[in-house]
Amino acid sequence: DTGVSQDPRHKITKRGQNVTFRCDPISEHNRLYWYRQTLGQGPEFLTYFQNEAQLEKSRLLSDRFSAERPKGSFSTLEIQRTEQGDSAMYLCASSLVGGAGGSYNEQFFGPGTRLTVL
Amino acid sequence: QKEVEQDPGPLSVPEGAIVSLNCTYSNSAFQYFMWYRQYSRKGPELLMYTYSSGNKEDGRFTAQVDKSSKYISLFIRDSQPSDSATYLCAMKNNQGGKLIFGQGTELSVKP
Repeated sequence: DTGVSQDPRHKITKRGQNVTFRCDPISEHNRLYWYRQTLGQGPEFLTYFQNEAQLEKSRLLSDRFSAERPKGSFSTLEIQRTEQGDSAMYLCASSLVGGAGGSYNEQFFGPGTRLTVL
Repeated sequence: QKEVEQDPGPLSVPEGAIVSLNCTYSNSAFQYFMWYRQYSRKGPELLMYTYSSGNKEDGRFTAQVDKSSKYISLFIRDSQPSDSATYLCAMKNNQGGKLIFGQGTELSVKP
């Protein structure tokens, strides 16, 4: 399977603990995005990278959240001191910028990591 | 007020019905308009995208964009039980990469 993969698929943690999620984008995709989706809502943008550079961060991304893409390939999203309000599906997507699509570049989503904070 | 508004439903229709899904938006800078389908506990998958105003057809699916009214629609003809899913509209401008999603409409097609 050459799609976007995310690990773990499910994570249950206690309030106050730190968690880290990993995303492996489609090979050679230079953009990688993180979104958060709560029950009954659409995905909300968190941040995105072009190669290893983090180009935009949403104000939803509090200082407890940090994302990295150290070598321009996989990315990690860490949440420190988790709160119950952090319970959500964390979605990763990737796209290829600079191809034939012009300003449009389809974002391919992974299956998500479902986080439950007790 | 959210940038993109979508009726959450749920919407229940009999097999074979024509389904109409809609979104409104407030940001006139949006140029790309997408419809994603999301099955339970899965990531969204792209159905169709449209650039600027106009119509686009792909099999049983037709997407319409009316930028003057800031209104987009997705029509599904001859709906099938396998179309049962949550449908998300999404939009972006010419700059950057983030998508702005609607709330999603949950569709159920009954056999």
